[in-house]
Amino acid sequence: DVKVTQSSRYLVKRTGEKVFLECVQDMDHENMFWYRQDPGLGLRLIYFSYDVKMKEKGDIPEGYSVSREKKERFSLILESASTNQTSMYLCASSLSGTGTYEQYFGPGTRLTVT
Amino acid sequence: AQSVSQHNHHVILSEAASLELGCNYSYGGTVNLFWYVQYPGQHLQLLLKYFSGDPLVKGIKGFEAEFIKSKFSFNLRKPSVQWSDTAEYFCASLTGTASKLTFGTGTRLQVTL
Repeated sequence: DVKVTQSSRYLVKRTGEKVFLECVQDMDHENMFWYRQDPGLGLRLIYFSYDVKMKEKGDIPEGYSVSREKKERFSLILESASTNQTSMYLCASSLSGTGTYEQYFGPGTRLTVT
Repeated sequence: AQSVSQHNHHVILSEAASLELGCNYSYGGTVNLFWYVQYPGQHLQLLLKYFSGDPLVKGIKGFEAEFIKSKFSFNLRKPSVQWSDTAEYFCASLTGTASKLTFGTGTRLQVTL
């Protein structure tokens, strides 16, 4: 069973703080993704990574950065948190190559920036 | 850019009613489509997927979806819903590269007893 874990379920931070969200997957997946989920907007891709130290911007990368130093771990960084980054953040992973491209999701981190 | 549209934002049904949730995609090339479900307080999980072959796809928990290429649609159906189907449902399309998914805005389904 694929397991994707995220470091916190709930997080409260102050405006201007640097915030780290951690994601770990245990199935040796090449691809990892960070989304934010907002009511009425669905899931929007922030960044993704298809290999260690490789990253690509998604649809809404502004105000975020990522780090992937090890295959199983993908970190999302909010350099200076702002109130409009209050959201649910979801991490996902998937295999690369041919075949199924199913993404497996973590439980999410609900971040509140005050 | 590729897009996925879900026109039903909030659907309320009584138990045993039939369900159909709409999904339209914009991509004109090779199409890979998914329905994900998010039960209250739980992870997003895969309901079903379409890659090729039979356009009628069966998934978990009695759900099915039909891929209609001419209509750019991939609607989700269930003949008889249960209270436990209360959840948010997301349609998604695989983009051309790197296993990226484009999600619709989601449909919140509420099933009443």
